[in-house]
Amino acid sequence: AQKVTQAQTEISVVEKEDVTLDCVYETRDTTYYLFWYKQPPSGELVFLIRRNSFDEQNEISGRYSWNFQKSTSSFNFTITASQVVDSAVYFCALSEYADMRFGAGTRLTVKP
Amino acid sequence: GAGVSQSPRYKVAKRGQDVALRCDPISGHVSLFWYQQALGQGPEFLTYFQNEAQLDKSGLPSDRFFAERPEGSVSTLKIQRTQQEDSAVYLCASSFSSPSYNEQFFGPGTRLTVL
Repeated sequence: AQKVTQAQTEISVVEKEDVTLDCVYETRDTTYYLFWYKQPPSGELVFLIRRNSFDEQNEISGRYSWNFQKSTSSFNFTITASQVVDSAVYFCALSEYADMRFGAGTRLTVKP
Repeated sequence: GAGVSQSPRYKVAKRGQDVALRCDPISGHVSLFWYQQALGQGPEFLTYFQNEAQLDKSGLPSDRFFAERPEGSVSTLKIQRTQQEDSAVYLCASSFSSPSYNEQFFGPGTRLTVL
């Protein structure tokens, strides 16, 4: 069965600090997709990134970067120079087909 | 708007009542998903449609839960004889085609409170 673990329940940082959100997954499939979503206080899930299991290249998008390592089954997310607007709950998710499995989420609070 | 919409946004039901939650996906999106999100938890998959066909309902917690998408667009999630443990936010998502490698666009959710 597929499973996603986000061990950090809550993280609090001061603005401009860098922060890394951890995600570890389990799957028996060789083909799968990994995702990160952001859920701000408004509640609507916002897509951040999708990665397939055959693409281990790290990705950078502005202040966001992702590190995918199949050897450790991890897909970590780093926010550089955090801002107050980054405060939200962040979910990592795994999909082998239709049933996307989410982790429990990490609540990030960025203080001014 | 162009996004996924859900109605009602909030629903309060007395235990034992039936409820119906509506999802309007993005126009042209083939795949539609329902999730249940309990307080402080990540969304849990309930069911998946491709057009009008319900291809996966493995996540529905009991036979009190029923979902349909008769014309391949709007979907309704029905919960019969609601129980307090059904209290959660119900999220609907849609994607353009195949579920895995396409981004799922989520609606704002319906917050169901069962008293």
